[in-house]
Amino acid sequence: DAGVIQSPRHEVTEMGQEVTLRCKPISGHNSLFWYRQTMMRGLELLIYFNNNVPIDDSGMPEDRFSAKMPNASFSTLKIQPSEPRDSAVYFCASSVQGANTEAFFGQGTRLTVV
Amino acid sequence: RKEVEQDPGPFNVPEGATVAFNCTYSNSASQSFFWYRQDCRKEPKLLMSVYSSGNEDGRFTAQLNRASQYISLLIRDSKLSDSATYLCVVRDSSASKIIFGSGTRLSIRP
Repeated sequence: DAGVIQSPRHEVTEMGQEVTLRCKPISGHNSLFWYRQTMMRGLELLIYFNNNVPIDDSGMPEDRFSAKMPNASFSTLKIQPSEPRDSAVYFCASSVQGANTEAFFGQGTRLTVV
Repeated sequence: RKEVEQDPGPFNVPEGATVAFNCTYSNSASQSFFWYRQDCRKEPKLLMSVYSSGNEDGRFTAQLNRASQYISLLIRDSKLSDSATYLCVVRDSSASKIIFGSGTRLSIRP
């Protein structure tokens, strides 16, 4: 298995532009998580899905952020419009739903908004 | 209050030393516990699960105290390669939410 695949690995964009981050979870995993990591705030859970359904989006910082999971093998995190404070590493992780299973991470997308 | 709290460190210890990290969590309904390791500019990876009775994996020992809502990680005979950030992770049972602590930075010096 290729693991969790995220794209792009790096993104540099200008303030105000739309940014779309993509994630392909591990086949057979039915939970998908989006995290944001910064030096100041650590690893924050933004939103997670079980069986393609958003369960908890309370970590999404504001309405500029949205996430979708149209099918079991693909999810997107969109920021529109982007701001410099959105600069961070965004990780996608997947897991089998259930209390005793760990999450596997993608390599992350390093976003810089200038 | 954060759901999972860790001492951010950094811990700077000599090679061969024993070092311990602690973590507390706020949700008493939490069911599963893990320690992850994250190297600089890399993604977090599972180090070990934490079981109720405590568990050991080579030089690493994890303990759980449900009454105090406290998790620990002990590293014995530390190696240079142990330098990393260690993340405490808690998963609840109902909706399987996974929450990470901010991590504890460890630096092992020769």
